[in-house]
Amino acid sequence: GAVVSQHPSRVICKSGTSVKIECRSLDFQATTMFWYRQFPKQSLMLMATSNEGSKATYEQGVEKDKFLINHASLTLSTLTVTSAHPEDSSFYICSASSQTQYFGPGTRLLVL
Amino acid sequence: GDSVTQMEGPVTLSEEAFLTINCTYTATGYPSLFWYVQYPGEGLQLLLKATKADDKGSNKGFEATYRKETTSFHLEKGSVQVSDSAVYFCALNSRQGAQKLVFGQGTRLTINP
Repeated sequence: GAVVSQHPSRVICKSGTSVKIECRSLDFQATTMFWYRQFPKQSLMLMATSNEGSKATYEQGVEKDKFLINHASLTLSTLTVTSAHPEDSSFYICSASSQTQYFGPGTRLLVL
Repeated sequence: GDSVTQMEGPVTLSEEAFLTINCTYTATGYPSLFWYVQYPGEGLQLLLKATKADDKGSNKGFEATYRKETTSFHLEKGSVQVSDSAVYFCALNSRQGAQKLVFGQGTRLTINP
């Protein structure tokens, strides 16, 4: 099956710093990638849809200036959490689409 | 809007028991239906899918049948193993191809030896 990787898998940062998370489709090209956020013991919340070569589409209530998304190529999308705060601590999961959505392993962010 | 409702968990079973996790949906049009599994500390893995009415998705002993008349996609397995312990998510997308997925709330399954 299709493989999607995320990097880093785990990151701890200080409040006020920015963190970049990479999502790569390893064996297929993905014109669309999705970014989700998952709180403990809860379902996935779609944050934004990332389309290669164009601006991301954010879901209602998600701050686009806070969560910067770049989809520079057909195999790479990045999510940058700017000026992170403790409430941004969460599990961030990306997916890449090729008829079916394939999910990355997730990135656990802890902001101190 | 489109929505997915799963049976509430957590569900705890003994090894070799029969498993059913209920999933019903509300959608306009003809959605594709999915079951994803999330093992502890990991992302989601596609378990099985069905793209049209009466289709049966199956994988690793799990099965689910797309029932349009009851708008359901219940997950079943005849004999569960300890390694099946995970969180299971039912999901739909409302158009063919990879569009936005709508997830159910997830059902945590624990299998005891």
